[in-house]
Amino acid sequence: DARVTQTPRHKVTEMGQEVTMRCQPILGHNTVFWYRQTMMQGLELLAYFRNRAPLDDSGMPKDRFSAEMPDATLATLKIQPSEPRDSAVYFCASGSGQGHTEAFFGQGTRLTVV
Amino acid sequence: QKEVEQNSGPLSVPEGAIASLNCTYSDRGSQSFFWYRQYSGKSPELIMFIYSNGDKEDGRFTAQLNKASQYVSLLIRDSQPSDSATYLCAANSGGGADGLTFGKGTHLIIQP
Repeated sequence: DARVTQTPRHKVTEMGQEVTMRCQPILGHNTVFWYRQTMMQGLELLAYFRNRAPLDDSGMPKDRFSAEMPDATLATLKIQPSEPRDSAVYFCASGSGQGHTEAFFGQGTRLTVV
Repeated sequence: QKEVEQNSGPLSVPEGAIASLNCTYSDRGSQSFFWYRQYSGKSPELIMFIYSNGDKEDGRFTAQLNKASQYVSLLIRDSQPSDSATYLCAANSGGGADGLTFGKGTHLIIQP
């Protein structure tokens, strides 16, 4: 059953704390995306990697967000320090190939910053 | 700035009828277009994609693309209550720049 796995599924944290979200892409997929979804903005692309190299992180607030892919089976998204406006559902998605790339989504991490 | 626009709805359709969902995009460089379905509290799931002008059919679903008008649509035939969800349209420019730009979605309600 090939699927994208995200942990944790839910996270409640206090403002100022560090938050780390993890993603295991589908085996064999070489492209990993991080999206954030809110009611107001919808789905926004934060960053994505191909073959573990970051290709675009222009959607990410650079001062507090960082995304890495330490190996082919793990992608991380870190927020430090977290703020209430970061509350959202964060989705990881993976895909293969170039051009007409479908993205398959994980279950998401619902982050609440209080 | 790349934008994908959708009517937020809700779009209410009687069971068994054809549901028609529409989407426009601003980036003429967009090459591929995707329709995702998202149930409340769940993740988006891919329904189908299209990259050539014209129609593409998959079961009860038909995607239509008109690049000249920068318009994409999804038709759902024989609508079922289980089709009630938010439908997200997305576009990418291909050629290695593969991050999808999503619309905010259309909320579809199929009335039994």
